[in-house]
Amino acid sequence: SQKIEQNSEALNIQEGKTATLTCNYTNYSPAYLQWYRQDPGRGPVFLLLIRENEKEKRKERLKVTFDTTLKQSLFHITASQPADSATYLCALGENTGFQKLVFGTGTRLLVSP
Amino acid sequence: DADVTQTPRNRITKTGKRIMLECSQTKGHDRMYWYRQDPGLGLRLIYYSFDVKDINKGEISDGYSVSRQAQAKFSLSLESAIPNQTALYFCATSEGTGGTNEKLFFGSGTQLSVL
Repeated sequence: SQKIEQNSEALNIQEGKTATLTCNYTNYSPAYLQWYRQDPGRGPVFLLLIRENEKEKRKERLKVTFDTTLKQSLFHITASQPADSATYLCALGENTGFQKLVFGTGTRLLVSP
Repeated sequence: DADVTQTPRNRITKTGKRIMLECSQTKGHDRMYWYRQDPGLGLRLIYYSFDVKDINKGEISDGYSVSRQAQAKFSLSLESAIPNQTALYFCATSEGTGGTNEKLFFGSGTQLSVL
């Protein structure tokens, strides 16, 4: 069966450290993968997109990698800050007509001062 | 002002009632979506619309209907609400360029409770 897995346990790290979040998938052939940030009581906000032929994408303190062999994406936040505390969602887009996004359940990140 | 506005923000209703959730956008996007979010299940697509005359079912459309009144407006109705429709509902839009850049812009959500 198709599955997108993100660690359901919260990730607790100290300010200044690098946070690494994982998105694993099975029985999908994504053409691209997106990462979103969601704060409590708010809608998700788009952060980054990485395509199947790209290994790495960066935006300021954010870095995403995409390994189609391992069927995994890693999302890194360097020099993390308490303001980075939120839930982070990954979403896969497949090239099957309508490129419908399928979302993971998200991982909560808590950055303590 | 928010680009994607959902009303109401919170709604409590009783089993069997018909309710409507509304969404309007000022982004000028053709594509609009309704998702629901449940703890441990992630976001699931209910309905989507690529333009005013286009309505499509998502993965969990049973018990829901939608109306695309204009490019900027997309409403979701629960014909006869039941408790397992208690969830956080999101409206979203996308530019719909047809390429691999279908990033979504979400509203702030409607928390619906069906008693």
